[in-house]
Amino acid sequence: SQQGEEDPQALSIQEGENATMNCSYKTSINNLQWYRQNSGRGLVHLILIRSNEREKHSGRLRVTLDTSKKSSSLLITASRAADTASYFCATITQGGSEKLVFGKGTKLTVNP
Amino acid sequence: DTAVSQTPKYLVTQMGNDKSIKCEQNLGHDTMYWYKQDSKKFLKIMFSYNNKELIINETVPNRFSPKSPDKAHLNLHINSLELGDSAVYFCASSQDLPSGTWDEQFFGPGTRLTVL
Repeated sequence: SQQGEEDPQALSIQEGENATMNCSYKTSINNLQWYRQNSGRGLVHLILIRSNEREKHSGRLRVTLDTSKKSSSLLITASRAADTASYFCATITQGGSEKLVFGKGTKLTVNP
Repeated sequence: DTAVSQTPKYLVTQMGNDKSIKCEQNLGHDTMYWYKQDSKKFLKIMFSYNNKELIINETVPNRFSPKSPDKAHLNLHINSLELGDSAVYFCASSQDLPSGTWDEQFFGPGTRLTVL
């Protein structure tokens, strides 16, 4: 069954603005990962945050994790047209089978 | 130097046919996966193999049969194709880590299957 739910489903912003995407999940997790998918392409791993971490940075990406609220957010700062893609959160459930369960994704459009 | 490759990229076929999709990874990973992405972009795991052994089989019809001749290859054979099998199929791989930890997965470019 689906674990993560991204919010919003679609987001359209101007180049240079920040983009924030949220992910909520249902059960306890081992880690949470964010992936990007460009149109017609495979998924690319962006960042992994473990259940004992609260925040992680990678370049223009910032991920937060709140295990008490079972939610995570992905912030992309100073967005570029090349950031246009779908963004998925995925979780590894704690104590469960070792599989990555994906949300439905947020479609981000960055207008030049 | 492609990390995870799949063939073919596109596959158009008639209902009832049998088809195969091939996947290879040159990352030296121990675990490989097959995912199905439907028309609404929802991505769901189908199978995973670790060192050629089936680890996960997610209630997939037995018309779908994965085969792993070695740990660098995981092929997907589909018998008696149905309209509902139309989707994009992604292969992925990951490196084994100490028990209780999991790493990122590397995805192939996908195979778009259209069943007419």
